[in-house]
Amino acid sequence: DIVMTQSPFSLAVSEGEMVTINCKSSQSLLSSGNQKNYLAWYQQKPGQSPKLLIYYASTRQSGVPDRFIGSGSGTDFTLTISDVQAEDLADYYCLQHYSSPLTFGSGTKLEIK
Amino acid sequence: QVTLKESGPGILQPSQTLSLTCTFSGFSLSTYGMGVGWIRQPSGKGLEWLANIWWDDDKYYNPSLKNRLTISKDTSNNQAFLKITNVDTADTATYYCARICITIAAGVMDAWGQGASVTVSS
Repeated sequence: DIVMTQSPFSLAVSEGEMVTINCKSSQSLLSSGNQKNYLAWYQQKPGQSPKLLIYYASTRQSGVPDRFIGSGSGTDFTLTISDVQAEDLADYYCLQHYSSPLTFGSGTKLEIK
Repeated sequence: QVTLKESGPGILQPSQTLSLTCTFSGFSLSTYGMGVGWIRQPSGKGLEWLANIWWDDDKYYNPSLKNRLTISKDTSNNQAFLKITNVDTADTATYYCARICITIAAGVMDAWGQGASVTVSS
Protein backbone atom coordinates (compact mmCIF):
# COMPACT_ATOMS: atom_id res chain seq x y z
CA ASP A 1 0.00 0.00 0.00
CA ILE A 2 1.13 3.57 -0.65
CA VAL A 3 1.55 5.46 2.62
CA MET A 4 0.65 9.14 2.64
CA THR A 5 2.47 11.22 5.26
CA GLN A 6 0.80 14.57 5.81
CA SER A 7 2.10 17.51 7.81
CA PRO A 8 1.59 19.49 9.92
CA PHE A 9 -1.06 17.92 12.15
CA SER A 10 -2.54 21.35 12.79
CA LEU A 11 -1.82 25.01 12.27
CA ALA A 12 -3.35 28.30 13.27
CA VAL A 13 -3.14 31.43 11.17
CA SER A 14 -4.75 34.84 10.98
CA GLU A 15 -7.00 35.88 8.15
CA GLY A 16 -5.03 37.13 5.17
CA GLU A 17 -2.01 34.95 5.86
CA MET A 18 -0.77 32.07 3.73
CA VAL A 19 -0.57 28.43 4.78
CA THR A 20 1.20 25.43 3.35
CA ILE A 21 0.21 21.82 3.91
CA ASN A 22 2.51 19.02 2.85
CA CYS A 23 1.89 15.47 1.70
CA LYS A 24 4.57 12.89 0.96
CA SER A 25 3.86 9.53 -0.66
CA SER A 26 5.89 6.36 -0.12
CA GLN A 27 5.92 5.77 -3.90
CA SER A 28 5.79 8.04 -6.90
CA LEU A 29 2.29 9.07 -7.96
CA LEU A 30 3.45 10.16 -11.41
CA SER A 31 2.02 8.13 -14.27
CA SER A 32 4.54 7.50 -17.02
CA GLY A 33 1.66 7.12 -19.46
CA ASN A 34 0.11 10.57 -19.19
CA GLN A 35 2.62 12.43 -16.97
CA LYS A 36 -0.13 13.14 -14.45
CA ASN A 37 0.25 12.93 -10.69
CA TYR A 38 -2.61 11.00 -9.10
CA LEU A 39 -2.92 13.17 -6.00
CA ALA A 40 -6.04 14.98 -4.81
CA TRP A 41 -6.80 17.39 -1.96
CA TYR A 42 -10.02 17.55 0.03
CA GLN A 43 -11.45 20.09 2.46
CA GLN A 44 -13.78 18.97 5.24
CA LYS A 45 -15.49 21.70 7.20
CA PRO A 46 -16.90 20.92 10.67
CA GLY A 47 -19.95 18.71 10.43
CA GLN A 48 -19.76 18.42 6.65
CA SER A 49 -18.72 15.87 4.06
CA PRO A 50 -15.35 16.21 2.35
CA LYS A 51 -15.19 18.49 -0.69
CA LEU A 52 -12.82 17.99 -3.61
CA LEU A 53 -10.48 20.95 -4.04
CA ILE A 54 -7.66 19.77 -6.29
CA TYR A 55 -6.97 16.76 -8.51
CA TYR A 56 -4.02 15.74 -10.68
CA ALA A 57 -1.98 17.49 -7.95
CA SER A 58 -2.63 20.98 -9.34
CA THR A 59 -5.97 21.11 -11.19
CA ARG A 60 -8.56 23.09 -9.29
CA GLN A 61 -12.05 21.59 -9.16
CA SER A 62 -14.75 23.79 -10.67
CA GLY A 63 -15.87 26.51 -8.28
CA VAL A 64 -12.84 26.33 -5.99
CA PRO A 65 -11.32 29.76 -5.32
CA ASP A 66 -7.96 30.39 -6.98
CA ARG A 67 -6.31 31.01 -3.60
CA PHE A 68 -6.18 27.23 -3.27
CA ILE A 69 -3.09 26.08 -5.14
CA GLY A 70 -1.80 22.54 -5.50
CA SER A 71 1.75 21.77 -6.50
CA GLY A 72 4.36 19.04 -6.50
CA SER A 73 5.24 15.91 -8.40
CA GLY A 74 6.42 12.39 -7.82
CA THR A 75 6.32 11.90 -4.06
CA ASP A 76 6.15 15.43 -2.64
CA PHE A 77 3.07 17.59 -2.83
CA THR A 78 1.84 20.84 -1.33
CA LEU A 79 -1.48 22.58 -0.85
CA THR A 80 -1.06 26.32 -0.47
CA ILE A 81 -3.89 28.54 0.69
CA SER A 82 -3.13 32.19 0.12
CA ASP A 83 -5.09 34.99 1.80
CA VAL A 84 -6.74 32.62 4.29
CA GLN A 85 -10.35 33.42 5.09
CA ALA A 86 -12.40 32.53 8.16
CA GLU A 87 -14.43 30.16 5.98
CA ASP A 88 -11.30 28.08 5.33
CA LEU A 89 -11.53 26.66 8.87
CA ALA A 90 -11.47 22.95 8.12
CA ASP A 91 -9.57 19.70 8.00
CA TYR A 92 -7.59 19.08 4.83
CA TYR A 93 -6.71 15.65 3.45
CA CYS A 94 -4.56 14.45 0.60
CA LEU A 95 -5.51 11.30 -1.31
CA GLN A 96 -3.50 9.13 -3.65
CA HIS A 97 -5.45 7.35 -6.35
CA TYR A 98 -2.48 6.05 -8.28
CA SER A 99 -3.04 2.52 -7.09
CA SER A 100 -5.47 0.47 -5.06
CA PRO A 101 -6.05 0.62 -2.17
CA LEU A 102 -6.65 4.35 -2.29
CA THR A 103 -5.04 5.97 0.73
CA PHE A 104 -5.55 9.29 2.49
CA GLY A 105 -3.15 11.39 4.48
CA SER A 106 -3.88 11.71 8.18
CA GLY A 107 -5.26 15.21 7.82
CA THR A 108 -4.33 18.76 8.77
CA LYS A 109 -6.54 20.89 10.98
CA LEU A 110 -6.53 24.55 9.99
CA GLU A 111 -7.59 26.97 12.70
CA ILE A 112 -8.12 30.69 12.34
CA LYS A 113 -6.68 32.93 15.04
CA GLN B 1 -27.05 18.16 -10.18
CA VAL B 2 -25.40 15.14 -8.58
CA THR B 3 -26.72 14.07 -5.19
CA LEU B 4 -26.05 11.02 -3.05
CA LYS B 5 -27.59 9.87 0.20
CA GLU B 6 -26.51 7.04 2.46
CA SER B 7 -28.82 4.98 4.61
CA GLY B 8 -28.09 2.30 7.15
CA PRO B 9 -29.24 0.70 10.41
CA GLY B 10 -27.83 3.34 12.73
CA ILE B 11 -26.87 0.85 15.40
CA LEU B 12 -26.04 -2.84 15.32
CA GLN B 13 -24.42 -5.45 17.51
CA PRO B 14 -20.96 -7.01 17.23
CA SER B 15 -20.73 -9.95 14.80
CA GLN B 16 -23.73 -8.73 12.77
CA THR B 17 -23.61 -7.71 9.12
CA LEU B 18 -23.76 -4.01 8.29
CA SER B 19 -25.81 -3.19 5.19
CA LEU B 20 -25.55 0.27 3.69
CA THR B 21 -27.42 1.77 0.75
CA CYS B 22 -26.39 4.73 -1.39
CA THR B 23 -29.23 6.29 -3.37
CA PHE B 24 -28.09 8.77 -5.96
CA SER B 25 -29.31 11.03 -8.74
CA GLY B 26 -27.74 13.10 -11.48
CA PHE B 27 -25.75 10.28 -12.99
CA SER B 28 -26.16 6.64 -13.96
CA LEU B 29 -24.07 3.64 -13.06
CA SER B 30 -24.79 2.27 -16.51
CA THR B 31 -22.86 5.14 -18.12
CA TYR B 32 -19.30 4.49 -19.27
CA GLY B 33 -16.76 5.60 -16.70
CA MET B 34 -19.12 6.09 -13.77
CA GLY B 35 -18.67 4.55 -10.37
CA VAL B 36 -19.51 4.80 -6.68
CA GLY B 37 -17.05 4.61 -3.84
CA TRP B 38 -17.50 4.04 -0.12
CA ILE B 39 -15.37 5.81 2.49
CA ARG B 40 -15.67 5.83 6.28
CA GLN B 41 -14.56 8.13 9.08
CA PRO B 42 -14.57 7.31 12.79
CA SER B 43 -15.59 10.26 14.91
CA GLY B 44 -12.73 12.74 15.21
CA LYS B 45 -10.45 10.67 12.98
CA GLY B 46 -9.36 10.49 9.36
CA LEU B 47 -10.80 9.06 6.17
CA GLU B 48 -10.51 5.44 5.07
CA TRP B 49 -11.38 4.26 1.58
CA LEU B 50 -13.34 1.01 1.57
CA ALA B 51 -14.43 0.01 -1.94
CA ASN B 52 -15.34 1.16 -5.46
CA ILE B 53 -17.75 -0.26 -8.00
CA TRP B 54 -17.71 0.78 -11.65
CA TRP B 55 -20.23 0.92 -14.50
CA ASP B 56 -18.88 -2.35 -15.91
CA ASP B 57 -19.30 -4.05 -12.49
CA ASP B 58 -15.58 -3.98 -11.84
CA LYS B 59 -14.95 -3.86 -8.09
CA TYR B 60 -12.05 -2.84 -5.89
CA TYR B 61 -11.74 -3.43 -2.17
CA ASN B 62 -9.48 -2.28 0.64
CA PRO B 63 -7.61 -5.45 1.62
CA SER B 64 -7.24 -4.18 5.19
CA LEU B 65 -10.81 -5.31 5.83
CA LYS B 66 -9.84 -8.85 4.94
CA ASN B 67 -12.67 -10.03 2.69
CA ARG B 68 -15.41 -8.65 4.96
CA LEU B 69 -16.62 -6.24 2.27
CA THR B 70 -19.09 -6.76 -0.56
CA ILE B 71 -20.02 -3.92 -2.91
CA SER B 72 -22.85 -4.15 -5.41
CA LYS B 73 -25.20 -1.99 -7.46
CA ASP B 74 -28.76 -1.75 -8.76
CA THR B 75 -28.45 0.31 -11.90
CA SER B 76 -32.15 0.54 -12.64
CA ASN B 77 -32.87 2.06 -9.22
CA ASN B 78 -29.75 4.26 -9.02
CA GLN B 79 -28.44 2.56 -5.91
CA ALA B 80 -25.17 1.13 -4.68
CA PHE B 81 -24.70 -1.09 -1.66
CA LEU B 82 -21.99 -2.04 0.78
CA LYS B 83 -22.05 -4.96 3.19
CA ILE B 84 -19.56 -5.46 5.99
CA THR B 85 -19.70 -8.79 7.76
CA ASN B 86 -18.78 -9.62 11.34
CA VAL B 87 -18.68 -6.01 12.58
CA ASP B 88 -17.08 -4.93 15.82
CA THR B 89 -16.71 -1.63 17.68
CA ALA B 90 -13.85 -0.61 15.38
CA ASP B 91 -16.41 -0.33 12.55
CA THR B 92 -18.23 2.49 14.36
CA ALA B 93 -17.97 5.42 11.97
CA THR B 94 -19.72 7.74 9.56
CA TYR B 95 -19.99 6.00 6.20
CA TYR B 96 -19.95 8.07 3.02
CA CYS B 97 -20.70 7.16 -0.55
CA ALA B 98 -19.31 9.28 -3.37
CA ARG B 99 -19.49 9.53 -7.15
CA ILE B 100 -16.40 8.66 -9.13
CA CYS B 101 -15.96 9.00 -12.88
CA ILE B 102 -12.88 8.25 -14.90
CA THR B 103 -13.65 11.09 -17.28
CA ILE B 104 -14.28 13.67 -14.54
CA ALA B 105 -11.76 14.99 -12.03
CA ALA B 106 -9.27 12.22 -12.67
CA GLY B 107 -11.63 9.58 -11.36
CA VAL B 108 -11.52 10.70 -7.74
CA MET B 109 -14.56 11.16 -5.50
CA ASP B 110 -16.01 14.46 -6.70
CA ALA B 111 -19.47 14.42 -5.08
CA TRP B 112 -20.19 13.02 -1.64
CA GLY B 113 -23.27 12.12 0.34
CA GLN B 114 -23.98 13.57 3.76
CA GLY B 115 -22.86 10.39 5.50
CA ALA B 116 -24.62 7.74 7.58
CA SER B 117 -23.63 7.28 11.21
CA VAL B 118 -23.16 3.68 12.27
CA THR B 119 -22.56 2.54 15.84
CA VAL B 120 -21.56 -0.99 16.75
CA SER B 121 -22.40 -1.72 20.35
CA SER B 122 -23.60 -4.59 22.47
